[in-house]
Amino acid sequence: EAGVAQSPRYKIIEKRQSVAFWCNPISGHATLYWYQQILGQGPKLLIQFQNNGVVDDSQLPKDRFSAERLKGVDSTLKIQPAKLEDSAVYLCASSRGTSVNFGPGTRLTVL
Amino acid sequence: GENVEQHPSTLSVQEGDSAVIKCTYSDSASNYFPWYKQELGKGPQLIIDIRSNVGEKKDQRIAVTLNKTAKHFSLHITETQPEDSAVYFCAASMGRDDKIIFGKGTRLHILP
Repeated sequence: EAGVAQSPRYKIIEKRQSVAFWCNPISGHATLYWYQQILGQGPKLLIQFQNNGVVDDSQLPKDRFSAERLKGVDSTLKIQPAKLEDSAVYLCASSRGTSVNFGPGTRLTVL
Repeated sequence: GENVEQHPSTLSVQEGDSAVIKCTYSDSASNYFPWYKQELGKGPQLIIDIRSNVGEKKDQRIAVTLNKTAKHFSLHITETQPEDSAVYFCAASMGRDDKIIFGKGTRLHILP
């Protein structure tokens, strides 16, 4: 089966600009996650969707981050405006049951 | 909420020797413990997992043990090979479609 797809793979922006990331989960996976992985650390959950509903967004900085999964399949994560500390890899993952599958991530650099 | 501690942060072992990575978790409600391997430029890949009703699980050179009473779990890699060099993450979850909480990772170096 095809894995979790993400784009772009790399993005460089200046602080205060906006950026969006796209994720296509594994077909049939109802649960979708966005994680933030800062260099040298483990992934940290930003938001979890079950179909098109939000299950957990307690760690999402809602003043600047937003995410949607309108049709319960693809998802987008947006940052507006970006800060220097947002530089990280943004990982999308999906699951059906307990096994969580990760995409390759989008590496964001904020200058 | 759940907190996962992992150590060591860096581990160097001679090729052919064994490597052990240890983790603890805080929430007794967690019942699923996956281990992920992350290579440079890639997302984490699941290598083995264990559920709380099992004490040990083995898959070829990789084994995981779980002590539910002490809230400890460990990854054991035997007969290490150069391709085992990567960052390994332990994690905990409360099960089906629940969020995965990660440790901070262990960078494993296999020395020739």
